Amino acid sequence: AQKITQTQPGMFVQEKEAVTLDCTYDTSDQSYGLFWYKQPSSGEMIFLIYQGSYDEQNATEGRYSLNFQKARKSANLVISASQLGDSAMYFCAMREGRMDSNYQLIWGAGTKLIIKP
Amino acid sequence: NAGVTQTPKFQVLKTGQSMTLQCAQDMNHNSMYWYRQDPGMGLRLIYYSASEGTTDKGEVPNGYNVSRLNKREFSLRLESAAPSQTSVYFCASSDFVHRGKPDTQYFGPGTRLTVL
Repeated sequence: AQKITQTQPGMFVQEKEAVTLDCTYDTSDQSYGLFWYKQPSSGEMIFLIYQGSYDEQNATEGRYSLNFQKARKSANLVISASQLGDSAMYFCAMREGRMDSNYQLIWGAGTKLIIKP
Repeated sequence: NAGVTQTPKFQVLKTGQSMTLQCAQDMNHNSMYWYRQDPGMGLRLIYYSASEGTTDKGEVPNGYNVSRLNKREFSLRLESAAPSQTSVYFCASSDFVHRGKPDTQYFGPGTRLTVL
C-alpha cells in the first residue's frame, strides 16, 4: 500500500488564485513528520514547509500553509495568491519515527502545478 | 555557504562502465542521503549515512555502493552501470534538531546520468 498519495498528477490554476495540493498518508506511528518540497523545472528540490504529528497548529511559511487533518491523515499544501513562479512539481513526503532517530523520507509521486497568467 | 554540492552535473556512460558521483555539504550536518528520481516519480532512497562512519541501505540499493569519506562528503559509486540506472541522482543532507525544529533535508542540484 502506498504510504504517501498525491491524487492530482497535474493542476492548472489562474494567477493570484489560491491553490490546494492534496496529500494523504498512511502510518501507524504516533510520531511522524510531513514535508512539502517544490521542484522547479531547473530540477533542484526546495524545502517549503514542515508539520510534526504533535504540532497543535497548522504550519505556515509565508504564502504556504499546511492544512493538517490528523484524523483524516491528510496534509494538504495551500498556496495563497499564486504567482507564475509557483509553477513546478510539488512533492509531499513523510518521516516516520522519532525526530532524533535515524529515519527515511517516504515520497509521493508529486503534483505538477501550472499557474496561468 | 554553498550548501550541498554535487559533481558532475551531467554524465553519459556506456553499459558496464563505472563511475563515482561526488557530494559534499558545508552545513556540518550529520546525515547524508542519495536518492534517484525517475521521470514522473518521486524520490527513492538508495543509501543513507546517519552519521560519519555509518551507511545503510535505502529502498533501492542494488547496483550501488557508497562511501562516507568524512562528515562533509558522501559518494555514490556505480560499479557496472546498466541502462536501468539512467536517472537523476540527488544528494541531500540533514541534521536532527530537537524541540520542534524539523530535521529538514537540503538537496544538491542533482546529477543527470544516462547509461547507453
